[in-house]
Amino acid sequence: DAGVTQSPTHLIKTRGQQVTLRCSPISGHKSVSWYQQVLGQGPQFIFQYYEKEERGRGNFPDRFSARQFPNYSSELNVNALLLGDSALYLCASSNNTLLLGSPLHFGNGTRLTVT
Amino acid sequence: AQSVSQHNHHVILSEAASLELGCNYSYGGTVNLFWYVQYPGQHLQLLLKYFSGDPLVKGIKGFEAEFIKSKFSFNLRKPSVQWSDTAEYFCAVMNAGNNRKLIWGLGTSLAVNP
Repeated sequence: DAGVTQSPTHLIKTRGQQVTLRCSPISGHKSVSWYQQVLGQGPQFIFQYYEKEERGRGNFPDRFSARQFPNYSSELNVNALLLGDSALYLCASSNNTLLLGSPLHFGNGTRLTVT
Repeated sequence: AQSVSQHNHHVILSEAASLELGCNYSYGGTVNLFWYVQYPGQHLQLLLKYFSGDPLVKGIKGFEAEFIKSKFSFNLRKPSVQWSDTAEYFCAVMNAGNNRKLIWGLGTSLAVNP
């Protein structure tokens, strides 16, 4: 089985631009979460989607948005990019409902650099 | 606010040394606890998890962790590390009030010298 796949792997944007990051969960997984990992820090929760609905949102500005498609893949959009948005963006999927404790399976991430 | 604290940011050990990485969290309710590992150039992987029951949990690759509720701790241990254990280790906590919102520690970078 393929793991969680994210695209692109690397991306360079300039301030003020918009970016779309994509994630395909493990087959059968209905939940997708997005995390931002700044160098030297732990991942920060951005969004969680389950069955195409937003189920959780972290402390990120409205410039960050996401959606989940009928095939459970997901996109993360960031508008009006700032230098501080430079980070590794991780997508994780899980195979359960909202029951606690289902392990997350992470993709390799998209490295976003904003110049 | 909920938080997760990992005591050691950088740890350097020699092979065969014992390892203990500290993790404390601030939340008084029911929690699920996780340790994730990120090997160089690879994605985050689940090392072990605690839901309920026996507070001593066994994970992959000889790792274990003990949940001590009274201390709000979930320390990771391994009796004898190997060079291949060189990685970044993250402790994460999920509480019953947040649907799948994991709170992460800052991570501990472990370097094992051969």
